[in-house]
Amino acid sequence: DTEVTQTPKHLVMGMTNKKSLKCEQHMGHRAMYWYKQKAKKPPELMFVYSYEKLSINESVPSRFSPECPNSSLLNLHLHALQPEDSALYLCASSPTSGTYGETQYFGPGTRLLVL
Amino acid sequence: EDQVTQSPEALRLQEGESSSLNCSYTVSGLRGLFWYRQDPGKGPEFLFTLYSAGEEKEKERLKATLTKKESFLHITAPKPEDSATYLCAVQADKLVFGQGTRLTINP
Repeated sequence: DTEVTQTPKHLVMGMTNKKSLKCEQHMGHRAMYWYKQKAKKPPELMFVYSYEKLSINESVPSRFSPECPNSSLLNLHLHALQPEDSALYLCASSPTSGTYGETQYFGPGTRLLVL
Repeated sequence: EDQVTQSPEALRLQEGESSSLNCSYTVSGLRGLFWYRQDPGKGPEFLFTLYSAGEEKEKERLKATLTKKESFLHITAPKPEDSATYLCAVQADKLVFGQGTRLTINP
């Protein structure tokens, strides 16, 4: 089974709201990722957690705050977002750090609209 | 700088009309090349991983090949349900994606 689940599927929020995106995998993978994807563009890496530690932060604004409570769960906390943050947010996982050519498996994504 | 270029940007075929998508790359030390399929509004679906020049992998109507500078995704006798965006990515310090090829198969 190569399933990564994400909730919610859709989210609409105002610029003053606080919300969280959730991601879960039960493949025993130890690396988890957040990507942002705008329409007709490829995914852009935001954060990487390897063995529950933040290993890559691609200079993402502080209004995005990742959290990895355990090896199966990954959260993305959102606060004071801007309309330009509207996008498809994708979670992915891979067996270990991902830098050795391991396949990343993606979830279905959360479609976020910021008003 | 690590770079991935996919061509064409968009391709429209008739059902049953075979063709190939191209992914050319420059990366210091290839650790893996990946093909994904993505339907609108959904996450990328993994298709293939290739590691070394000369390697080939097949799945149903799709076949991926790899040389030292590029990869091809061959689609044989496609069906309308093969319509999607096909993404190529290479593993460097992080996964580097191409812009994708939007494939449309007309019945």
